[in-house]
Amino acid sequence: QKEVEQDPGPLSVPEGAIVSLNCTYSNSAFQYFMWYRQYSRKGPELLMYTYSSGNKEDGRFTAQVDKSSKYISLFIRDSQPSDSATYLCAMSLRGLSGGYNKLIFGAGTRLAVHP
Amino acid sequence: SAVISQKPSRDICQRGTSLTIQCQVDSQVTMMFWYRQQPGQSLTLIATANQGSEATYESGFVIDKFPISRPNLTFSTLTVSNMSPEDSSIYLCSSTGRAKETQYFGPGTRLLVL
Repeated sequence: QKEVEQDPGPLSVPEGAIVSLNCTYSNSAFQYFMWYRQYSRKGPELLMYTYSSGNKEDGRFTAQVDKSSKYISLFIRDSQPSDSATYLCAMSLRGLSGGYNKLIFGAGTRLAVHP
Repeated sequence: SAVISQKPSRDICQRGTSLTIQCQVDSQVTMMFWYRQQPGQSLTLIATANQGSEATYESGFVIDKFPISRPNLTFSTLTVSNMSPEDSSIYLCSSTGRAKETQYFGPGTRLLVL
């Protein structure tokens, strides 16, 4: 079993739809949760970063963490064609003495928003 | 967030040769990381590079195949040695951000080995 599971999609939605992207994980020690967006032929771009259970909102994006269910989500409201990309979840453990946390990535979900 | 650049952006190489990829960060950072992203796959950590110490390699990756240099706090190189077609991949470098739990990525180097 992978530490982080993410449905690779592809997910195709019409412009204006609400998009829900999800990851599950098995290691209850994960404490930091991130969502990255990766456009074709580009490096991953950090979108959202959360620590605690609950919701965090940034514009059209909401990150949700449910530690009891080991489940995280990214919601995109009013989706636009420019949101078409691969979305990767990533998570890490609490920092070591040197402050470094190894990131564990999901497989990434390909999203296409069509006009 | 840190701005990270990589050279080359892409290359086509013959099997048996080596390629060195450069990564430059626009600010001083303690830790830099090298990842591989094979076609349609997620990111796999190759190694962590601290300035002034030997790189730490993940399981399945060895220094002879992927030697790494970290001469200062803004620069690192990854060499892919004695390449085979299985090394065809995107190689990404990253550094920690202001929040040390996060990482920021460069644009990647697309490598094709024939």
